[in-house]
Amino acid sequence: SQQGEEDPQALSIQEGENATMNCSYKTSINNLQWYRQNSGRGLVHLILIRSNEREKHSGRLRVTLDTSKKSSSLLITASRAADTASYFCATVRGGSEKLVFGKGTKLTVNP
Amino acid sequence: GAGVSQTPSNKVTEKGKYVELRCDPISGHTALYWYRQSLGQGPEFLIYFQGTGAADDSGLPNDRFFAVRPEGSVSTLKIQRTERGDSAVYLCASSENSGTDTQYFGPGTRLTVL
Repeated sequence: SQQGEEDPQALSIQEGENATMNCSYKTSINNLQWYRQNSGRGLVHLILIRSNEREKHSGRLRVTLDTSKKSSSLLITASRAADTASYFCATVRGGSEKLVFGKGTKLTVNP
Repeated sequence: GAGVSQTPSNKVTEKGKYVELRCDPISGHTALYWYRQSLGQGPEFLIYFQGTGAADDSGLPNDRFFAVRPEGSVSTLKIQRTERGDSAVYLCASSENSGTDTQYFGPGTRLTVL
């Protein structure tokens, strides 16, 4: 069963705009990871944020984590057409080793 | 360095046949995972290896599915008596030590059961 729920399911924006995707989960976690997937194949790791962290940055990416609300957000600033992909959040629960994924947000960045 | 590799990239088989899918993890990574992704869904966990042993196989859907990692490196996912519902992309990932580390994914094997 899938724990995470991404919101929105689909997002379409213009190049240069910011894209925000949200993720909610149900149980306590050890860490939360965001991945990008192009064309339904391999997943590219973007950011890992641990349960004791609140915010992380990587280039144009900013991830926040609110463990009290069991939610995370991924912000992509100054989006590019190449950012078009599906984005997944995945959690690792305490005492577990496996990633539990949501259904993903399909992002389209129009040139 | 080299990432996770998977072979074949595509596999078409007939219902009832046996298939093997191979995963070559990042060198030195002790943890290896198999996931399955159906169209429009996120990946779902199948099995986790720590070294040579299957530490968690709770995601295997039934006893037609089996995986091995005999030398603690390459892993093979084996599916017996394939069914049309087994059609999916099978993803392998590895991490340095455990699930608390970043998991790096391979490109996947797309399995189609006719």
